[in-house]
Amino acid sequence: GEDVEQSLFLSVREGDSSVINCTYTDSSSTYLYWYKQEPGAGLQLLTYIFSNMDMKQDQRLTVLLNKKDKHLSLRIADTQTGDSAIYFCAESHNDYKLSFGAGTTVTVRA
Amino acid sequence: DSGVTQTPKHLITATGQRVTLRCSPRSGDLSVYWYQQSLDQGLQFLIQYYNGEERAKGNILERFSAQQFPDLHSELNLSSLELGDSALYFCASSVESSYNSPLHFGNGTRLTVT
Repeated sequence: GEDVEQSLFLSVREGDSSVINCTYTDSSSTYLYWYKQEPGAGLQLLTYIFSNMDMKQDQRLTVLLNKKDKHLSLRIADTQTGDSAIYFCAESHNDYKLSFGAGTTVTVRA
Repeated sequence: DSGVTQTPKHLITATGQRVTLRCSPRSGDLSVYWYQQSLDQGLQFLIQYYNGEERAKGNILERFSAQQFPDLHSELNLSSLELGDSALYFCASSVESSYNSPLHFGNGTRLTVT
């Protein structure tokens, strides 16, 4: 989506932390989401954050939101081979649809 | 497993034909969304239904239509198919029809138009 931008590729070594970045343009965004898509599968909701929060942690996942800069990041600690997938950032505001980024392909190497 | 079921998984058809994609939402979810995923356009919102009524429309072509039935399952009808309609079509569901109700996606139907 043109309103949400992500880098297209990320390569990370197994056991390291991955950081996937996303920027969005709509300052009225209320919720921001991270979805994971594995080959041949649908989009799996990983986590989401309300726009009045700065950070949310869920096990190995940490979401950071800088509302001033309209920047969202997803950190995956201790990255595993099973984390190889495409990660989508998405935003919603006062309507009923999500606007998705193009997705970041994360490759975990041994 | 998200609990959202889509059938069929794959569909191959010719230009000019019509197909129907089916979606069963998660138990208890009233809202159904359809998205199209293609290489050049990414994930595009098509349409949303809530408890049988159309709630929002996105980039859906006039050749496409959808409905949600009383049992809450939904169908997406694609007609006069063109090569450019080849894509992965996702259905998603949520409990409510509001922006703070997370969407849960099915595994998609891969449509190939030849």
